[in-house]
Amino acid sequence: KAGVTQTPRYLIKTRGQQVTLSCSPISGHRSVSWYQQTPGQGLQFLFEYFSETQRNKGNFPGRFSGRQFSNSRSEMNVSTLELGDSALYLCASSLQTGEGYTFGSGTRLTVV
Amino acid sequence: AQSVTQLDSQVPVFEEAPVELRCNYSSSVSVYLFWYVQYPNQGLQLLLKYLSGSTLVKGINGFEAEFNKSQTSFHLRKPSVHISDTAEYFCAVSQGGSEKLVFGKGTKLTVNP
Repeated sequence: KAGVTQTPRYLIKTRGQQVTLSCSPISGHRSVSWYQQTPGQGLQFLFEYFSETQRNKGNFPGRFSGRQFSNSRSEMNVSTLELGDSALYLCASSLQTGEGYTFGSGTRLTVV
Repeated sequence: AQSVTQLDSQVPVFEEAPVELRCNYSSSVSVYLFWYVQYPNQGLQLLLKYLSGSTLVKGINGFEAEFNKSQTSFHLRKPSVHISDTAEYFCAVSQGGSEKLVFGKGTKLTVNP
């Protein structure tokens, strides 16, 4: 059974640009969440989608947005990139609430 | 608001020694508790979880954790560690019914020969 797939694995962008990250959950998983991991702030929740609806949102500026498609695949977008957005972005999916997430390997975004 | 405190940022141990990684949480409602492991340049892997029932939870790779409601703790233990256990370990909590995880800052476990 394929795991959670995130593309691309690595990205280098310039300040002010925008970026879109992609996540394909495990087949049958309808809940997809995104987390940002940085050395300073650790792992922080960005948002969670279930059946194309955003159910939870973390404390991030409006530059961070996401969506989920009918096949449960998800994308997150960051506009007007800042140096501080450099991080590992992790996507995770779950089948049922409380089961615990299965995480992808992440997309490492570097903003220069 | 929920929070998770991992009391040790780094834990060095020798191979075959026992280890305990400490985790305390704060929440006013029932919670689900998790331990994840992260190897370099990889995502997070679920080690074990507590949802309800027995307070002693067994996970993968020989790890176990004990839920202590009165002390709001969920410490992770392994009786004998291997070099391959070297990684960063994260404790996380979610409010029952919510998929949002709140993570601790992580504990870097280094197993020396």
